[in-house]
Order: sequence, then structure tokens, then C-alpha cells
Amino acid sequence: KQEVTQIPAALSVPEGENLVLNCSFTDSAIYNLQWFRQDPGKGLTSLLLIQSSQREQTSGRLNASLDKSSGRSTLYIAASQPGDSATYLCAVTPFGNEKLTFGTGTRLTIIP
Amino acid sequence: DGGITQSPKYLFRKEGQNVTLSCEQNLNHDAMYWYRQDPGQGLRLIYYSQIVNDFQKGDIAEGYSVSREKKESFPLTVTSAQKNPTAFYLCASSLLGTGAYEQYFGPGTRLTVT
Repeated sequence: KQEVTQIPAALSVPEGENLVLNCSFTDSAIYNLQWFRQDPGKGLTSLLLIQSSQREQTSGRLNASLDKSSGRSTLYIAASQPGDSATYLCAVTPFGNEKLTFGTGTRLTIIP
Repeated sequence: DGGITQSPKYLFRKEGQNVTLSCEQNLNHDAMYWYRQDPGQGLRLIYYSQIVNDFQKGDIAEGYSVSREKKESFPLTVTSAQKNPTAFYLCASSLLGTGAYEQYFGPGTRLTVT
């Protein structure tokens, strides 16, 4: 059974710093991996989708990498801003399965 | 303006009552999903539908029911059989249900049952 882990559960970083969020998964047979952002009391916003054949994806200050063989993904946020404060979730879609498996998220706080 | 809408944003019900949560999308997506989110836990899949008039149970379907009579709509009914219905419910959709496509989420409905 696929399991997705995000450590740490919470992270505080001063404004302006670059940071990395981690995601690990137990089964490398995946279609893709998605990173989402969730603000308190809100739905999820898709940030980046990495297909299994890709190594990374970039969108603005965000860069997500995927290493299937080691079961790891990272989300790199450059020049962090207070508006980046949110919970970041990763999720994988296993092969032969239409269902996303989610991690429990990392709650990020950017300190002004 | 394309997207997914969920209503209402907050819902309060007495124990023993059934309640229906609305989810509508105008993205022309074939697949739709219902998730439940509880504090400290990842999202868990309740039901999903890849095509009109067809749906499958997810990991925690007991106490819930759904219908998919129109491509745009996927309502979720929380029945009195659901033991712990208080939670944040999220609806999502994707172009196809093959797993290869990005899922888009609605704003959620917070259900409180007392």
C-alpha cells in the first residue's frame, strides 16, 4: 500500500530565505506527483504536477523535483514571502489506480 | 470563469439527519471526487466517478452516498449511518479519471454535526 510522508509537520522560516519541503513515498510505481497549497479553511490549490517521466517542474519561485527510484520529491521555494505561509501537501497517483494518496502536509510559516 | 463550486461553505446538522453537500464544475471534466479532511490526517477519498451514471467507493465510503446524473454535478449525501460526520469535505475534478491528470479542488464545505 502506498504511503506518503511529509517531514517536518511544521516549519518556520524568516522572510527572504530559500527553503525546501520534503515528500517521500513508499512505492515508486506512480503516474505522477502533485504539490498543493492549502490556506486555513480553504480548498487545495494545485501548484505543480510532475509526470513520472519528468525530473522537475518549475513555476515562478517554485521548483519541484522528483526522484522515483528513491521515492522522494522536494518543493523548493525561492526568496520566501509572508504570503507563502500555508500548508503544503504532496500527493501521488499510483499506477493502475485513479486515486491520489496524500501526505499529511507541512505547515509553513514565513516570519516577516 | 471556470472552476469548482461547493455549497454551502458551512453546514450545521443535528445527529440522525441526512445532509447533502453540493459540488458543481464547469471545467468539462469527466472525473469527480469527494475527499474528507480531518485535523492531523491526510485527505481520504470517499467516492469518485469517472463518467456519468457510474461511481466507485473510495477508502472510507461507509455512511456516505453519491449520484452522478450530470457531468457537471456530483452531490454527496452524509447519512445518519456515518459515525463521525463532522469534518471538512472537499470536492475535486480532473479531465479524465486515468490518474494521469491534475486534480482541481473546490473551496470545501465544513460540516458540523451535534
